[in-house]
Amino acid sequence: RKEVEQDPGPFNVPEGATVAFNCTYSNSASQSFFWYRQDCRKEPKLLMSVYSSGNEDGRFTAQLNRASQYISLLIRDSKLSDSATYLCVVNIDDYKLSFGAGTTVTVRA
Amino acid sequence: EAGVVQSPRYKIIEKKQPVAFWCNPISGHNTLYWYLQNLGQGPELLIRYENEEAVDDSQLPKDRFSAERLKGVDSTLKIQPAELGDSAVYLCASSWGQVDSPLHFGNGTRLTVT
Repeated sequence: RKEVEQDPGPFNVPEGATVAFNCTYSNSASQSFFWYRQDCRKEPKLLMSVYSSGNEDGRFTAQLNRASQYISLLIRDSKLSDSATYLCVVNIDDYKLSFGAGTTVTVRA
Repeated sequence: EAGVVQSPRYKIIEKKQPVAFWCNPISGHNTLYWYLQNLGQGPELLIRYENEEAVDDSQLPKDRFSAERLKGVDSTLKIQPAELGDSAVYLCASSWGQVDSPLHFGNGTRLTVT
């Protein structure tokens, strides 16, 4: 089983729609979780950290479900500029972070 | 603050040739990472430095890859000799080092081996 797994998508949604996707992780002891955004041919950039109680940043909401070992990202009122690949990142041990392969989201006009 | 700086941005070489990539992390970040990213995949760790010490190089193919971080600031990643399968994007990142510290990436070096 891979350390971090994501649905590759693509998720094709119209502007204004809500899109959500999950990321599962294998290590039940993982404590740190992040979502990164990567635009085509660009470097990954931190979108948001994921906290145990869930957290929101504008139109983006991240949730953690420890019992089922997954994190989720929900994007409300999608914009064309939200089109990107979203990478899930989880710590595997005290210092090592493991990346998922990414979920591609395409927002159409 | 200035971000992570990498060079070159692109590199095209023939197989069996050597190649080197350079990275300057964010000032004050003691932890530096080199990642490899293939198309359609997430970044995969090659090596992690804490200051000048390589603390995790378990995924670095040591027969052809080497890295150094002299003085605990800039770092160089070298491949010698390069193989066709080494074509990928090589990303450098830095952080404060705690497990909950986010990574800051440079814009990467896109390597093509012909």
